Amino acid sequence: DIQMTQSPSTLSASVGDRVTITCRASQSISSWLAWYQQKPGKAPKLLIYKASSLESGVPSRFSGSGSGTEFTLTISSLQPDDFATYYCQQYNSYSVTFGGGTKVEIK
Amino acid sequence: EVQLVESGGVVVQPGGSLRLSCAASGFTFDDYAMHWVRQAPGKGLEWVSLISWDGGSTYYADSVKGRFTISRDNSKNSLYLQMNSLRAEDTALYYCAKDSGGTVGPLDYWGQGTLVTVSS
Repeated sequence: DIQMTQSPSTLSASVGDRVTITCRASQSISSWLAWYQQKPGKAPKLLIYKASSLESGVPSRFSGSGSGTEFTLTISSLQPDDFATYYCQQYNSYSVTFGGGTKVEIK
Repeated sequence: EVQLVESGGVVVQPGGSLRLSCAASGFTFDDYAMHWVRQAPGKGLEWVSLISWDGGSTYYADSVKGRFTISRDNSKNSLYLQMNSLRAEDTALYYCAKDSGGTVGPLDYWGQGTLVTVSS
């Protein structure tokens, strides 16, 4: 199975900061990567698919980049609503896998 | 509006069985693959299983292979997860999620989850 490793596991930041989360795949997954946001007590929400495509309705401050084995999720200017946990997910193979998550906390 | 509503989560003893259901509405159910994803208390997301749009192909995480069976009834717009030989480590909130396509892709809609607790 393809392993997905996210870093950091926790990130402390302030409103207005630029935030970057990294996701690494154990083998090449081309651009078959998605990012999700999850708030406490809520289901995950799709933000980005195919590494860099923004899901409809998602604010443009969210962006994704990368291909192969290294990917990033960037929030250009952190807003109060963005404090949450973020997960990457590969769908290069039918055995889908998620990263361990990155919790974005208020500094 | 897409809606996914899970049901069937209960407290069950180790070694027991359980069947989860997911009722789908607001989209053409038989056009899309469907997934089960779980989240243990305080932990991250773990993909469990995938079924293709027509039910002809199924895939499982190694942790549940041979114990869980995913199925769907397109005439009833419903997804199921039969869970056998349950273990304490299967305790989690189980989400039903819609794939964005017919085989495997990003999960664009999620239910609110149903809680399965495996405990004696």
